[in-house]
Amino acid sequence: ETGVTQTPRHLVMGMTNKKSLKCEQHLGHNAMYWYKQSAKKPLELMFVYSLEERVENNSVPSRFSPECPNSSHLFLHLHTLQPEDSALYLCASSQDAVVIAERVGELFFGEGSRLTVL
Amino acid sequence: ILNVEQSPQSLHVQEGDSTNFTCSFPSSNFYALHWYRWETAKSPEALFVMTLNGDEKKKGRISATLNTKEGYSYLYIKGSQPEDSATYLCASQTGANNLFFGTGTRLTVIP
Repeated sequence: ETGVTQTPRHLVMGMTNKKSLKCEQHLGHNAMYWYKQSAKKPLELMFVYSLEERVENNSVPSRFSPECPNSSHLFLHLHTLQPEDSALYLCASSQDAVVIAERVGELFFGEGSRLTVL
Repeated sequence: ILNVEQSPQSLHVQEGDSTNFTCSFPSSNFYALHWYRWETAKSPEALFVMTLNGDEKKKGRISATLNTKEGYSYLYIKGSQPEDSATYLCASQTGANNLFFGTGTRLTVIP
């Protein structure tokens, strides 16, 4: 079983749809992250959760709504997206949030959810 | 937003050749430098996390060096193998506790 699991791997949705991306980590980590990768751009941090509390929100449009019900699960709820939101969405976890603990810890990533907005 | 640059963007090398690529980052507010290896259709995997100026880390045929004063890190691969084909990402961790990624170097090792 992989450490960080994301579902679905591929998602196609219309601009009026509501969908959710799910991430689950089996590593006992305290922090979880959503990253976005658009074509030919670097990974861009969207949200950070530490011990189920949001600690970072990098000016992400409100059409993206994260939810962290417990330290093992992270969701990204999507509604009224735009075609330019089409991208690869990566979930990651780390032992502690770099934002909080100032500890140097590596990120463990999922394989990503490829989102296409029509 | 931190400007982390990686070069080259892509390269092709023959199996058995050694290669290296560069990550440059602003040296102010530096906290750590991360290297990740990302194979197609898989998840990025951490290779190294380095914090100290002059630090050098090694994992098998792959090694990395760090110069925090001038703001660069090199990743070296000795005797490249086809399984080394991947995108190599670096990320600079700042005192503000965020990770800023470069766009990566895409390596293709030709058998």
